[in-house]
Amino acid sequence: GQQVMQIPQYQHVQEGEDFTTYCNSSTTLSNIQWYKQRPGGHPVFLIQLVKSGEVKKQKRLTFQFGEAKKNSSLHITATQTTDVGTYFCAANFNKFYFGSGTKLNVKP
Amino acid sequence: GAGVSQSPSNKVTEKGKDVELRCDPISGHTALYWYRQSLGQGLEFLIYFQGNSAPDKSGLPSDRFSAERTGGSVSTLTIQRTQQEDSAVYLCASSSSYRVVTEAFFGQGTRLTVV
Repeated sequence: GQQVMQIPQYQHVQEGEDFTTYCNSSTTLSNIQWYKQRPGGHPVFLIQLVKSGEVKKQKRLTFQFGEAKKNSSLHITATQTTDVGTYFCAANFNKFYFGSGTKLNVKP
Repeated sequence: GAGVSQSPSNKVTEKGKDVELRCDPISGHTALYWYRQSLGQGLEFLIYFQGNSAPDKSGLPSDRFSAERTGGSVSTLTIQRTQQEDSAVYLCASSSSYRVVTEAFFGQGTRLTVV
């Protein structure tokens, strides 16, 4: 079946440091989505990538879709305490296949 | 409605009892999904609906779990003879179409505790 692997599982950074989470699939993906779940909250959609090599930015967040459409990354520049949460990638093949998530903790 | 609504928000039940969890998706959303999230863990897929039919029930952990959707809207997830390992947050999500790639909108979840 479809699987989406995500690393790292946890990341602890000092406020102001950068953060990156990676998502990999053994099969070519038609799309990749990214979600953020704040502690105690529910996943909230951030962005969707569909084109090979696509790069999208949202303020300090940069999302990339690999050329082969088998991997994706989310990079946060100069983290803030408001970035704390778990970041999930998801591929949509009729249902959403979620990665295991990367839990980000930011120390002030 | 404005968003995906789930009820109850919290449920404490005794081991062996049956529970029903309800999901009211965004109006007009044809696709509906159920996920389970244990504390600090990822999203475990349970089942999804296209309209009223469920093409993929592969994620249901056992035959104690069942789900239905009526009128292409509200869905109910039923857990019979609950066990302590069923304790988790049950999340429902909906999307506008299963034919076109769209985002999933999640409800706040139902926190189930089996004692």
